[in-house]
Amino acid sequence: RKEVEQDPGPFNVPEGATVAFNCTYSNSASQSFFWYRQDCRKEPKLLMSVYSSGNEDGRFTAQLNRASQYISLLIRDSKLSDSATYLCVVTGTSYDKVIFGPGTSLSVIP
Amino acid sequence: GAVVSQHPSWVICKSGTSVKIECRSLDFQATTMFWYRQFPKQSLMLMATSNEGSKATYEQGVEKDKFLINHASLTLSTLTVTSAHPEDSSFYICSAVYQQAEGQFFGPGTRLTVL
Repeated sequence: RKEVEQDPGPFNVPEGATVAFNCTYSNSASQSFFWYRQDCRKEPKLLMSVYSSGNEDGRFTAQLNRASQYISLLIRDSKLSDSATYLCVVTGTSYDKVIFGPGTSLSVIP
Repeated sequence: GAVVSQHPSWVICKSGTSVKIECRSLDFQATTMFWYRQFPKQSLMLMATSNEGSKATYEQGVEKDKFLINHASLTLSTLTVTSAHPEDSSFYICSAVYQQAEGQFFGPGTRLTVL
């Protein structure tokens, strides 16, 4: 089993749609969790951190369920500019272990 | 947010030559930097963790003698691809931790093509 797994995608959604991405991780000792987005041929950019209490930033909501070892990202009212690959990132303590998920591709269609 | 730069942004070289890539944290000190490699349509793969003032920690399967990492200061880490071959052609990205709760900040990447 891979250490971090994500929905295989790709997701093709119309503008204005709500889309949810899922991510699971295998190491229960993982400490920090993040969602990044990566545009084609560009470096990943931090989208948001993920906390047990949930984290919302505008149209984006991230949730962490430690018991189920599951992370989610919800995007409401999708925009064309949201088209990218979304990467789930899990780290150990003090960044001694950083694992990127394989990514989920999103295409928002006019 | 914190800014990380990389140089060069792209390089083309002949097989057998060595290529050095620099990664700099511009407005903060980074005791730890990371080097990743990404092949087309694949996710980032961590190559090594670069620690200021000590040896880098390499991931399994990454040859430390081929990918030389030097982290001589709190703002600079370098990756040297020695005797590069076409299979080393890839997108190399570095990152640094600004504050742990804020995650990693990535450099813009270096696209290496070995002919």
